[in-house]
Order: sequence, then C-alpha cells, then structure tokens
Amino acid sequence: EGYLVESGGGLVRPGRSLRLSCEASGFSFDDYDMHWVRQAPGKGLEWVSGITWDGSHSDYAASLKGRFTISRDNAQNSLYLEIHSLRPEDTALYYCVAGKFSTSYIDFWGQGARVTVSS
Amino acid sequence: QSALTQPASVSGSPGQSITISCTDTSDIGSHILVSWYQQHPGKAPRLLIYEGIHRPSGVSNRFSGSKSGNTASLTISGLQAEDEADYYCCLYGGTSYVFGTGTEVTVV
Repeated sequence: EGYLVESGGGLVRPGRSLRLSCEASGFSFDDYDMHWVRQAPGKGLEWVSGITWDGSHSDYAASLKGRFTISRDNAQNSLYLEIHSLRPEDTALYYCVAGKFSTSYIDFWGQGARVTVSS
Repeated sequence: QSALTQPASVSGSPGQSITISCTDTSDIGSHILVSWYQQHPGKAPRLLIYEGIHRPSGVSNRFSGSKSGNTASLTISGLQAEDEADYYCCLYGGTSYVFGTGTEVTVV
C-alpha cells in the first residue's frame, strides 16, 4: 500500500507563487510516474501535470502551461509543484497521485493539499 | 483532445443495477486506457476499475467495466447504500490523464 502526503497548501494572494510538496512511502517511488490532479470546490477532477518515473519528461494541462512546474527528487521520494502567478480559479484541493510506469491508471492518491487564492 | 462526458447523476434502489456511461467526443481508443474512480464526500478518489475491465484486489465484484464503440461503462450491481459517491472515468494519454465530468450516484 502506497502513501502520499501533500504539504505546502494555504491561503495565498493572487499573483503570488506557491510550492506544493508530496512525500511518498510504502512503494518504490522511482517505479512510478507521478502527477498532480486538482479539484475545485464542488467540481470534478482535473489533471494538472505529470512527470515520468525518471524525471526525463513532464507534461502539463494545455490551459495551465507556463505557470506550473513539476519536479521530483527520487532520492527523497518527493514530488513538487510550483505554481506561479496564482489566480482565484487555481483555488482547489491538489492531489498528488502515482501511476506505475507503463500502466494506464492511478494506483495511489494523497489526501490533498488545499490551496485558496484570495485577496 | 478527448473530452469525456458522463451523466451528471444516476440513481437506483438498493439491490438494483445501474450503469454509468463515459462517452468520448473523439475516439476513446483501447479499453485498456480507461480506468474508473470512486470518490466519497470529503475523501480522496480510489481506483475501482483499471484497463477498462479489471478490478484491483479489495474492490467488490459488484463493480464491472465494459466498452462499446466510443463509450466506456461502469455497472454497479446489487446497489448498496455505501455505493453513494461520485464516479469518474479516466482516459490515459501516455503522459497525461483526462477525467470524465463525473457522475453522482444516489441510492434512493
């Protein structure tokens, strides 16, 4: 059973930046592609960004490209998401999720980090 | 870019079967790219069906997945009160995911 624990969320002013972290345990972190999925209040799931198991390739939702940066540190079993120029519409619960390399589904979900963008 | 459409809500009585559809506006492709997730209020989603038809260990055999043409489906048989939740289909795009619009299941 894998465990993912997010941190770094909070109340942020529009235009500021934020860095979310996710610490993984209970599975071989470097066997898994990692992603961020967000859920705005009362809304559905939205894939945000993903990074391959070795960090060699990353991808972003088209509407979010340019403001989000995903990265990972396999030595620390950690995943990160930097969000710049925060907007009120970025307000959401941000889930860290893991999908094993070469598979098509998400095995593990964190409990989420809440980000609220408001002045 | 795919867009996955699900019915906003589906309801059923205890013991009944319900089916949730997930229709791709383009081409849903192979069923092995489709997964389904269940989300109870205030909880993180959990994997329910992977590769279109397979259940992870620990998931009840009352849940089953299928695909026909451009539509993937999740069937819940013998509906129980604990099945009240939101359900999302998901299509894997190689390095990304597209989630369906989500379906709220109510047990009446």
